[in-house]
Amino acid sequence: SQTIHQWPATLVQPVGSPLSLECTVEGTSNPNLYWYRQAAGRGLQLLFYSVGIGQISSEVPQNLSASRPQDRQFILSSKKLLLSDSGFYLCAQSSGMNTGELFFGEGSRLTVL
Amino acid sequence: SQQGEEDPQALSIQEGENATMNCSYKTSINNLQWYRQNSGRGLVHLILIRSNEREKHSGRLRVTLDTSKKSSSLLITASRAADTASYFCATELSYGQNFVFGPGTRLSVLP
Repeated sequence: SQTIHQWPATLVQPVGSPLSLECTVEGTSNPNLYWYRQAAGRGLQLLFYSVGIGQISSEVPQNLSASRPQDRQFILSSKKLLLSDSGFYLCAQSSGMNTGELFFGEGSRLTVL
Repeated sequence: SQQGEEDPQALSIQEGENATMNCSYKTSINNLQWYRQNSGRGLVHLILIRSNEREKHSGRLRVTLDTSKKSSSLLITASRAADTASYFCATELSYGQNFVFGPGTRLSVLP
C-alpha cells in the first residue's frame, strides 16, 4: 500500500528565510504528485502537481517552487518566505490511472514569523 | 471562486443522528470524491462517485450525485463522536492531474 512521508512535521521560520519541505512516496511507481496548502480552517489550494521526474505544473503564481528530482520525491521550496506563506502543506499522490483517489501525507505545518 | 463548495460550513449534531453535507460545483467533472480530515492531520479518501453514477454506498456513508444540478450530497447515518472531522468534496477535472477541493464542512458529533 502507498505511504507518504512528509518532513518536517512542524516548522517555524522568520520572514525572508528559505524553505524546503520534502515528500517521499513508498509502495508505488510513477505516481502523480501534488502539493496543497491549507490555511487555518479553510479548504485546500493546489500549488503544484507533477506527472513525472522534472515535470512540474504550477497552479498559483507565488514565491514558492517545486521540484521532482526522483520518481518518488517531491520538494517544495522558497528562497524568501513571506508571512502569507504560513499554513499547512500537504503532499498527495495518485496513480494517475483513472482510479481518481488521492493519498495524503500527514502534512507540514509552517509558521512564518 | 471555488469549483466545489460544501454546505453547510459547520454542522453540529447529537450522536446517533444522521449528518447530511452538500457540495456544489461549476464545471463538468469526471468524478466527485469525498474526503475526511481530522484536526491537524492529512485527508483520508472516503468515497468516489463517477459522473455516470447517481448513488453510492460505503458502510454508513451514502453519496448521491446530480450532474444536472452539479451537486452531490454525503449522508453519514447513525453518527458517532468519532465522526467529528472536516469533510471535503473534491472534483477531478481531468484524469489524475487536477483535483479541486471545496472549503469543507466541519462536523461535530456530540456524545
